Amino acid sequence: DAKTTQPNSMESNEEEPVHLPCNHSTISGTDYIHWYRQLPSQGPEYVIHGLTSNVNNRMASLAIAEDRKSSTLILHRATLRDAAVYYCILRDWGIKAAGNKLTFGGGTRVLVKP
Amino acid sequence: GAVVSQHPSWVICKSGTSVKIECRSLDFQATTMFWYRQFPKQSLMLMATSNEGSKATYEQGVEKDKFLINHASLTLSTLTVTSAHPEDSSFYICSARPRGEKLFFGSGTQLSVL
Repeated sequence: DAKTTQPNSMESNEEEPVHLPCNHSTISGTDYIHWYRQLPSQGPEYVIHGLTSNVNNRMASLAIAEDRKSSTLILHRATLRDAAVYYCILRDWGIKAAGNKLTFGGGTRVLVKP
Repeated sequence: GAVVSQHPSWVICKSGTSVKIECRSLDFQATTMFWYRQFPKQSLMLMATSNEGSKATYEQGVEKDKFLINHASLTLSTLTVTSAHPEDSSFYICSARPRGEKLFFGSGTQLSVL
């Protein structure tokens, strides 16, 4: 599986944007870029995913570099409820059997200060 | 959205006993479910892929006789931790993908073995 690299932690002030970087220099052409987040004592929840183009949804935006070797998850206005561990994960849709699973890395712990 | 229900949310057991954790897809059928384990302050580690009507696929290093997985229907997968010991104490999480790219997770089961 292609690997991702994320900072261990980031701090943000409430109401301000948060930019979470993810490096995936060995990404393949069939890798989707996924972001999940995990609040304390809960299972992870889906945030957003993309392949080549930037993506927006009600939770966040995903900016993907032109060479796809990095991406950035953008939380436009952080709230205290956004404090969580954010995971950037690659999923290869080109391999049907092995590609169904998601392998989690270390993630970035986001602290939101009031 | 799709819902994955996991039960129980926490369990305490004596060393040497077995514990069963259930994972249900409430509004979709899941031919495949995934089981993860998470130790405190660590990331999720994929244990096995549960396949409806066939044997589970275990990740390297996970003892299949220790962690029994049964996926007897399209909406239910169970993980049984056999002869549990204190080192098996962990947060266990299941997940499933109804269709498309999103993976939905259960709320997790905190297992404490005394």
